Amino acid sequence: KAGVTQTPRYLIKTRGQQVTLSCSPISGHRSVSWYQQTPGQGLQFLFEYFSETQRNKGNFPGRFSGRQFSNSRSEMNVSTLELGDSALYLCASSRTSLSSYEQYFGPGTRLTVT
Amino acid sequence: AQRVTQPEKLLSVFKGAPVELKCNYSYSGSPELFWYVQYSRQRLQLLLRHISRESIKGFTADLNKGETSFHLKKPFAQEEDSAMYYCALDPGDTDKLIFGTGTRLQVFP
Repeated sequence: KAGVTQTPRYLIKTRGQQVTLSCSPISGHRSVSWYQQTPGQGLQFLFEYFSETQRNKGNFPGRFSGRQFSNSRSEMNVSTLELGDSALYLCASSRTSLSSYEQYFGPGTRLTVT
Repeated sequence: AQRVTQPEKLLSVFKGAPVELKCNYSYSGSPELFWYVQYSRQRLQLLLRHISRESIKGFTADLNKGETSFHLKKPFAQEEDSAMYYCALDPGDTDKLIFGTGTRLQVFP
């Protein structure tokens, strides 16, 4: 089956702009979570969506937002970009059943803010 | 505060040697713990979770609640085990993972 896809793969923006990143989960996965990866802070949880509802949010400012659509695809938006937002943004989709747990990460979107 | 500590940034061993990647956590409840691996130029992937009690690619990890540790072990390292390994904690039943800073494992021939 197709893996988690993220678009775009690379993005260059300037300070003050906004950006929208997209994540398409594996078919049948209803949970999508987002992470920011930087050399200084490592992997940090942004938010998690399940069936179009945000179930959890990490410690990021309100400039970071997201949503999930009825087909489980998810988007995250960062407004008023700052230099420190330069990072690799990863999404992961997962599915939990009584006997198993599946989780797969996408390749990431590398955002550079200049 | 919830925290995951991986004290070693780099661990170098020779092929065939035992490997132990350390992970300590700070959490007052009953966490779910994971190990993730990222091979060069590949995606981050789930290696194993403590609740499954399974061995993946020869790796095992035991949750020690007394020592709040979840060390990853393999009796005989292989060159293809060279990768970045991350320990992570999920404090609830959602995918809000708290990651450690990672340990790079280098296995020399």
